[in-house]
Amino acid sequence: DAGITQSPRHKVTETGTPVTLRCHQTENHRYMYWYRQDPGHGLRLIHYSYGVKDTDKGEVSDGYSVSRSKTEDFLLTLESATSSQTSVYFCAISDFDTGELFFGEGSRLTVL
Amino acid sequence: RKEVEQDPGPFNVPEGATVAFNCTYSNSASQSFFWYRQDCRKEPKLLMSVYSSGNEDGRFTAQLNRASQYISLLIRDSKLSDSATYLCVVKRGSQGNLIFGKGTKLSVKP
Repeated sequence: DAGITQSPRHKVTETGTPVTLRCHQTENHRYMYWYRQDPGHGLRLIHYSYGVKDTDKGEVSDGYSVSRSKTEDFLLTLESATSSQTSVYFCAISDFDTGELFFGEGSRLTVL
Repeated sequence: RKEVEQDPGPFNVPEGATVAFNCTYSNSASQSFFWYRQDCRKEPKLLMSVYSSGNEDGRFTAQLNRASQYISLLIRDSKLSDSATYLCVVKRGSQGNLIFGKGTKLSVKP
């Protein structure tokens, strides 16, 4: 299995609080992604990175920011969490710009 | 129209059955196609890529029809362990991101 870990795996927080999810890889892959998965919507891309300090928006980026200061870490921040951001968040990595993504185990976030 | 559409199922089949999933995509510029598998409360994993000529991997066969913008996955001799959600995935162009369908749930019963 690809060396990719997400933390925290579970988090419950209140509306208006900041939240940061961390994705850490040991594969030295260039590309990193943050997705969210919700019933009835499937997986949707939030942000992605194609190198250190190189990031871009996905289809559902509003309310989220990301940072990648090292190859191995990709952080997703919710500046002020809302109930609509309750979801399962998956980080993924890939070495080439192909269709093979390796996913982390997911982070389940509940915003009350 | 959604960019990638799948029948959500669930498909409930007995062991040993053959089952087929279909997927349609709306963007004719899509260049690459894949099937991912996701077990309950787990992360998605690549099952197989889909090539224009069709391709097979053991009991799994994937087909692509570019003219109809249609992708299929056939599973023969279903096993209990095939129970999962199958995600149709399309890549927009050569530099585009992956677009995931909502998935088709398969339940294989003894």
